[in-house]
Amino acid sequence: AQSVTQLDSQVPVFEEAPVELRCNYSSSVSVYLFWYVQYPNQGLQLLLKYLSGSTLVKGINGFEAEFNKSQTSFHLRKPSVHISDTAEYFCAVKGTYKYIFGTGTRLKVLA
Amino acid sequence: EAGVAQSPRYKIIEKRQSVAFWCNPISGHATLYWYQQILGQGPKLLIQFQNNGVVDDSQLPKDRFSAERLKGVDSTLKIQPAKLEDSAVYLCASSLGRQISEAFFGQGTRLTVV
Repeated sequence: AQSVTQLDSQVPVFEEAPVELRCNYSSSVSVYLFWYVQYPNQGLQLLLKYLSGSTLVKGINGFEAEFNKSQTSFHLRKPSVHISDTAEYFCAVKGTYKYIFGTGTRLKVLA
Repeated sequence: EAGVAQSPRYKIIEKRQSVAFWCNPISGHATLYWYQQILGQGPKLLIQFQNNGVVDDSQLPKDRFSAERLKGVDSTLKIQPAKLEDSAVYLCASSLGRQISEAFFGQGTRLTVV
């Protein structure tokens, strides 16, 4: 079975500051990892995904994430955030066929 | 490319009433998912279809929830009778069906049960 833990329910950060949203997973099989973003009253939009290969993955809107197998982590980072990045961010793990989502981290960018 | 379409966007019903949601996945996507997202929580998988067969419905409350995917394309999710705790956003997603395929989500249906 797989599980995903997002320890931070809310992360406030000032505009143009860097941010890291943490994600840890557990799985007994190889998994694929994803980050999705959800804006108010919208569905989920894929930010980036790790399937194999380079452990540093670049996504849309300047986000990137690093897969760390030894620490079973897949933290999301952005060097400089904008007000428009305010949203809910979900980490997800996919094993054989099922997506398991974390509880989400609400990123609040302050002016 | 058209995205995943869901309707209605919003629905308010009284408890014990029934309600149905509709989803049209991206053309050619074999896998279709229904998720329930309660306020402040991550999406929880209710049911997953591969073409018109059910892959996983282990978290679907089968005494009140039902879903079908006729002809392996559109899908409907029904709740009968609704309870207050069913208030949530119901998200439909689809993917090509391979293990590495990402899921594409619709905008969701916000259900309020009063």
